[in-house]
Amino acid sequence: AQKITQTQPGMFVQEKEAVTLDCTYDTSDPSYGLFWYKQPSSGEMIFLIYQGSYDQQNATEGRYSLNFQKARKSANLVISASQLGDSAMYFCAMRGFNTGTASKLTFGTGTRLQVTL
Amino acid sequence: EAGVTQFPSHSVIEKGQTVTLRCDPISGHDNLYWYRRVMGKEIKFLLHFVKESKQDESGMPNNRFLAERTGGTYSTLKVQPAELEDSGVYFCASSRGRQETQYFGPGTRLLVL
Repeated sequence: AQKITQTQPGMFVQEKEAVTLDCTYDTSDPSYGLFWYKQPSSGEMIFLIYQGSYDQQNATEGRYSLNFQKARKSANLVISASQLGDSAMYFCAMRGFNTGTASKLTFGTGTRLQVTL
Repeated sequence: EAGVTQFPSHSVIEKGQTVTLRCDPISGHDNLYWYRRVMGKEIKFLLHFVKESKQDESGMPNNRFLAERTGGTYSTLKVQPAELEDSGVYFCASSRGRQETQYFGPGTRLLVL
Protein backbone atom coordinates (compact mmCIF):
# COMPACT_ATOMS: atom_id res chain seq x y z
CA ALA A 1 0.00 0.00 0.00
CA GLN A 2 1.08 3.55 -0.60
CA LYS A 3 0.43 6.55 1.59
CA ILE A 4 1.06 10.26 1.22
CA THR A 5 0.99 12.58 4.20
CA GLN A 6 0.70 16.34 3.97
CA THR A 7 0.67 17.72 7.49
CA GLN A 8 0.06 21.37 6.64
CA PRO A 9 -3.60 22.02 5.90
CA GLY A 10 -2.86 25.70 5.30
CA MET A 11 0.16 27.93 4.78
CA PHE A 12 0.71 31.66 4.37
CA VAL A 13 3.65 33.25 2.60
CA GLN A 14 4.45 36.81 1.68
CA GLU A 15 4.86 37.73 -1.93
CA LYS A 16 8.43 37.28 -3.21
CA GLU A 17 9.33 34.97 -0.32
CA ALA A 18 10.10 31.27 -0.65
CA VAL A 19 7.84 28.61 0.86
CA THR A 20 8.20 24.89 1.49
CA LEU A 21 5.23 22.55 1.37
CA ASP A 22 5.83 19.30 3.19
CA CYS A 23 5.13 15.82 1.86
CA THR A 24 6.13 12.47 3.31
CA TYR A 25 5.34 9.14 1.75
CA ASP A 26 5.35 5.46 2.46
CA THR A 27 5.58 2.65 -0.05
CA SER A 28 6.87 -0.88 -0.41
CA ASP A 29 7.69 -0.39 -4.10
CA PRO A 30 11.44 -0.25 -4.76
CA SER A 31 10.94 2.29 -7.51
CA TYR A 32 8.33 5.00 -7.67
CA GLY A 33 7.57 8.51 -8.83
CA LEU A 34 6.54 11.56 -6.86
CA PHE A 35 4.40 14.38 -8.24
CA TRP A 36 3.10 17.75 -7.22
CA TYR A 37 -0.10 19.21 -8.60
CA LYS A 38 -1.60 22.67 -8.13
CA GLN A 39 -5.33 23.26 -7.93
CA PRO A 40 -6.31 26.94 -8.16
CA SER A 41 -9.78 28.13 -7.21
CA SER A 42 -10.95 27.49 -10.77
CA GLY A 43 -10.67 23.78 -10.01
CA GLU A 44 -8.34 22.33 -12.62
CA MET A 45 -5.39 20.20 -11.50
CA ILE A 46 -2.13 21.47 -12.95
CA PHE A 47 0.95 19.25 -13.04
CA LEU A 48 3.95 21.04 -11.57
CA ILE A 49 6.91 18.74 -11.09
CA TYR A 50 8.01 15.10 -11.05
CA GLN A 51 10.77 13.23 -9.20
CA GLY A 52 11.74 9.63 -9.87
CA SER A 53 13.00 7.61 -6.93
CA TYR A 54 16.25 6.79 -8.74
CA ASP A 55 16.89 10.28 -10.05
CA GLN A 56 20.24 11.46 -8.79
CA GLN A 57 19.35 15.12 -8.70
CA ASN A 58 16.40 16.97 -7.25
CA ALA A 59 13.88 18.03 -9.86
CA THR A 60 13.46 21.69 -10.75
CA GLU A 61 10.93 23.44 -12.97
CA GLY A 62 11.26 27.19 -13.04
CA ARG A 63 10.36 28.51 -9.59
CA TYR A 64 9.44 25.02 -8.38
CA SER A 65 11.93 22.58 -6.95
CA LEU A 66 11.45 19.29 -5.20
CA ASN A 67 13.56 18.64 -2.12
CA PHE A 68 13.77 14.85 -2.30
CA GLN A 69 15.21 13.06 0.72
CA LYS A 70 14.84 9.36 0.04
CA ALA A 71 16.06 8.12 3.41
CA ARG A 72 13.52 10.35 5.15
CA LYS A 73 10.82 9.49 2.60
CA SER A 74 10.10 13.14 2.04
CA ALA A 75 9.41 15.06 -1.16
CA ASN A 76 8.87 18.66 -0.19
CA LEU A 77 7.90 21.27 -2.77
CA VAL A 78 9.80 24.54 -2.65
CA ILE A 79 8.33 27.56 -4.39
CA SER A 80 10.74 30.44 -4.74
CA ALA A 81 9.77 34.09 -5.18
CA SER A 82 6.09 33.49 -4.43
CA GLN A 83 3.53 35.30 -6.55
CA LEU A 84 -0.12 36.07 -5.85
CA GLY A 85 -1.05 33.58 -8.55
CA ASP A 86 0.56 30.81 -6.52
CA SER A 87 -2.38 30.91 -4.10
CA ALA A 88 -3.99 27.51 -4.54
CA MET A 89 -4.33 24.02 -3.13
CA TYR A 90 -1.24 21.88 -3.63
CA PHE A 91 -1.35 18.10 -3.77
CA CYS A 92 1.53 15.69 -3.39
CA ALA A 93 1.04 12.33 -5.11
CA MET A 94 2.96 9.18 -5.85
CA ARG A 95 2.87 6.17 -8.10
CA GLY A 96 4.73 2.91 -7.72
CA PHE A 97 6.30 1.19 -10.71
CA ASN A 98 5.28 -2.33 -9.85
CA THR A 99 2.71 -3.83 -12.18
CA GLY A 100 -0.03 -3.74 -9.60
CA THR A 101 0.44 -0.11 -8.66
CA ALA A 102 1.85 1.48 -11.77
CA SER A 103 -1.37 3.03 -13.00
CA LYS A 104 -2.89 4.75 -10.01
CA LEU A 105 -1.79 7.91 -8.26
CA THR A 106 -2.09 8.09 -4.49
CA PHE A 107 -2.73 11.60 -3.21
CA GLY A 108 -2.28 13.47 0.03
CA THR A 109 -4.99 15.64 1.53
CA GLY A 110 -3.46 18.81 0.16
CA THR A 111 -2.06 22.08 1.50
CA ARG A 112 -3.83 25.35 0.85
CA LEU A 113 -1.28 28.09 0.17
CA GLN A 114 -2.20 31.74 0.49
CA VAL A 115 0.22 34.34 -0.83
CA THR A 116 -0.14 37.74 0.82
CA LEU A 117 1.09 41.20 -0.14
CA GLU B 1 -2.81 20.99 -27.97
CA ALA B 2 -6.13 20.82 -26.15
CA GLY B 3 -6.06 19.55 -22.59
CA VAL B 4 -8.33 17.04 -20.92
CA THR B 5 -11.93 18.22 -21.03
CA GLN B 6 -14.82 17.13 -18.87
CA PHE B 7 -18.54 17.65 -19.16
CA PRO B 8 -20.58 18.83 -17.38
CA SER B 9 -18.64 21.11 -15.07
CA HIS B 10 -21.38 20.88 -12.46
CA SER B 11 -24.31 18.55 -11.92
CA VAL B 12 -27.01 18.65 -9.27
CA ILE B 13 -29.32 15.65 -9.13
CA GLU B 14 -31.65 13.99 -6.68
CA LYS B 15 -30.94 10.75 -4.94
CA GLY B 16 -31.97 7.86 -7.12
CA GLN B 17 -31.43 9.64 -10.40
CA THR B 18 -28.82 8.78 -13.01
CA VAL B 19 -25.92 10.97 -14.04
CA THR B 20 -23.38 10.47 -16.81
CA LEU B 21 -20.06 12.24 -16.77
CA ARG B 22 -17.92 12.56 -19.87
CA CYS B 23 -14.17 12.89 -20.30
CA ASP B 24 -12.24 13.67 -23.47
CA PRO B 25 -8.53 12.92 -23.02
CA ILE B 26 -5.64 14.64 -24.70
CA SER B 27 -5.41 13.49 -28.29
CA GLY B 28 -3.08 10.52 -28.63
CA HIS B 29 -3.23 9.54 -24.97
CA ASP B 30 -4.08 5.88 -24.71
CA ASN B 31 -4.30 5.91 -20.93
CA LEU B 32 -7.35 7.42 -19.26
CA TYR B 33 -8.01 7.54 -15.54
CA TRP B 34 -10.94 8.48 -13.33
CA TYR B 35 -10.49 9.82 -9.81
CA ARG B 36 -12.83 11.43 -7.33
CA ARG B 37 -12.58 13.62 -4.30
CA VAL B 38 -15.34 13.29 -1.78
CA MET B 39 -15.76 16.31 0.52
CA GLY B 40 -12.86 16.66 2.93
CA LYS B 41 -11.07 13.52 1.81
CA GLU B 42 -8.20 12.62 -0.46
CA ILE B 43 -8.44 12.30 -4.20
CA LYS B 44 -9.01 8.61 -4.80
CA PHE B 45 -8.35 6.50 -7.86
CA LEU B 46 -11.37 4.87 -9.48
CA LEU B 47 -10.18 3.16 -12.64
CA HIS B 48 -7.76 3.09 -15.54
CA PHE B 49 -8.36 2.46 -19.23
CA VAL B 50 -5.75 1.56 -21.79
CA LYS B 51 -7.46 2.39 -25.04
CA GLU B 52 -10.88 0.79 -24.68
CA SER B 53 -9.86 -1.84 -22.14
CA LYS B 54 -10.27 -1.55 -18.40
CA GLN B 55 -6.79 -2.08 -17.01
CA ASP B 56 -7.55 -1.54 -13.34
CA GLU B 57 -10.94 -0.90 -11.80
CA SER B 58 -9.97 -1.64 -8.23
CA GLY B 59 -11.09 1.77 -7.03
CA MET B 60 -14.68 1.61 -8.25
CA PRO B 61 -16.79 1.85 -5.10
CA ASN B 62 -19.68 -0.40 -6.11
CA ASN B 63 -21.75 -1.62 -9.03
CA ARG B 64 -23.72 1.59 -9.23
CA PHE B 65 -20.73 3.01 -11.11
CA LEU B 66 -20.17 2.05 -14.74
CA ALA B 67 -17.32 3.37 -16.85
CA GLU B 68 -16.93 2.93 -20.57
CA ARG B 69 -14.50 3.99 -23.24
CA THR B 70 -15.94 2.82 -26.50
CA GLY B 71 -13.52 3.19 -29.39
CA GLY B 72 -10.72 4.16 -27.07
CA THR B 73 -11.37 7.89 -27.30
CA TYR B 74 -13.67 9.62 -24.82
CA SER B 75 -14.93 7.95 -21.67
CA THR B 76 -18.15 8.11 -19.72
CA LEU B 77 -18.77 7.42 -16.07
CA LYS B 78 -22.36 6.66 -15.19
CA VAL B 79 -23.73 6.63 -11.66
CA GLN B 80 -27.06 4.80 -11.38
CA PRO B 81 -28.81 5.24 -9.04
CA ALA B 82 -26.97 8.11 -7.39
CA GLU B 83 -26.68 8.20 -3.60
CA LEU B 84 -25.90 11.12 -1.28
CA GLU B 85 -22.37 9.84 -0.63
CA ASP B 86 -21.55 10.05 -4.34
CA SER B 87 -21.32 13.83 -4.08
CA GLY B 88 -17.86 15.15 -4.82
CA VAL B 89 -15.56 16.17 -7.62
CA TYR B 90 -14.86 13.63 -10.33
CA PHE B 91 -11.58 14.11 -12.15
CA CYS B 92 -10.42 12.55 -15.35
CA ALA B 93 -6.77 12.33 -16.33
CA SER B 94 -4.87 11.01 -19.31
CA SER B 95 -1.32 10.02 -20.16
CA ARG B 96 0.45 8.91 -23.30
CA GLY B 97 2.22 5.99 -21.70
CA ARG B 98 1.27 4.07 -18.63
CA GLN B 99 4.18 5.41 -16.61
CA GLU B 100 4.09 8.93 -17.95
CA THR B 101 2.72 12.01 -16.25
CA GLN B 102 -1.03 12.15 -15.90
CA TYR B 103 -2.69 15.39 -16.98
CA PHE B 104 -5.97 16.22 -15.33
CA GLY B 105 -9.18 17.77 -16.52
CA PRO B 106 -11.04 20.49 -14.60
CA GLY B 107 -13.34 18.01 -12.89
CA THR B 108 -17.10 17.59 -12.64
CA ARG B 109 -18.68 18.74 -9.41
CA LEU B 110 -21.51 16.37 -8.56
CA LEU B 111 -24.04 17.16 -5.87
CA VAL B 112 -26.62 14.54 -4.97
CA LEU B 113 -29.54 15.91 -2.94
